[in-house]
Amino acid sequence: DQQVKQNSPSLSVQEGRISILNCDYTNSMFDYFLWYKKYPAEGPTFLISISSIKDKNEDGRFTVFLNKSAKHLSLHIVPSQPGDSAVYFCAASGIQGAQKLVFGQGTRLTINP
Amino acid sequence: DAGITQSPRHKVTETGTPVTLRCHQTENHRYMYWYRQDPGHGLRLIHYSYGVKDTDKGEVSDGYSVSRSKTEDFLLTLESATSSQTSVYFCAIKRGESTDTQYFGPGTRLTVL
Repeated sequence: DQQVKQNSPSLSVQEGRISILNCDYTNSMFDYFLWYKKYPAEGPTFLISISSIKDKNEDGRFTVFLNKSAKHLSLHIVPSQPGDSAVYFCAASGIQGAQKLVFGQGTRLTINP
Repeated sequence: DAGITQSPRHKVTETGTPVTLRCHQTENHRYMYWYRQDPGHGLRLIHYSYGVKDTDKGEVSDGYSVSRSKTEDFLLTLESATSSQTSVYFCAIKRGESTDTQYFGPGTRLTVL
């Protein structure tokens, strides 16, 4: 049972345009959401997060939107740059105080010049 | 930099042999985690630890054991490696009870022939 889903395995975007990565979750008990970025042969690095009490969080070119009623979050990158080409994972936490994250399958973002 | 090292970084072994992967942290955090990353599955939790000698299972713990005899080291053991355990293994730490953000090590690529 996949509690966190990223339904797009890959996404290709033109440099300078907006990249939108999507993530859906099934468990309404999740109350904290994170995005990680992963380059080949490196560990995932934390990018941005959002608490369920908010619907938007912004950090420079990166903005995460949370729609609790739809159980959906998205990561917007604008403008997209070649260095943004990576695999992006969304993750969720908060169920019953468990100190764990549940990850989606990942989306490979490619920024084309 | 989360002060996490993993060793070895690459390993090739044969089916049926025991394998131990090491995660070392320099910041004395209580929470440590082992994940595996496979195409189409994202990051899946194998085991985690919430203190010396305190460990618990994740979603894919079968065939794996862990030990934590010192705060700084978290060992993952494959008692008898199988080809299905070919994967990239990541260690992570969490900086305290009040945060959900995890920080990852560089990974170990394990191939079981």
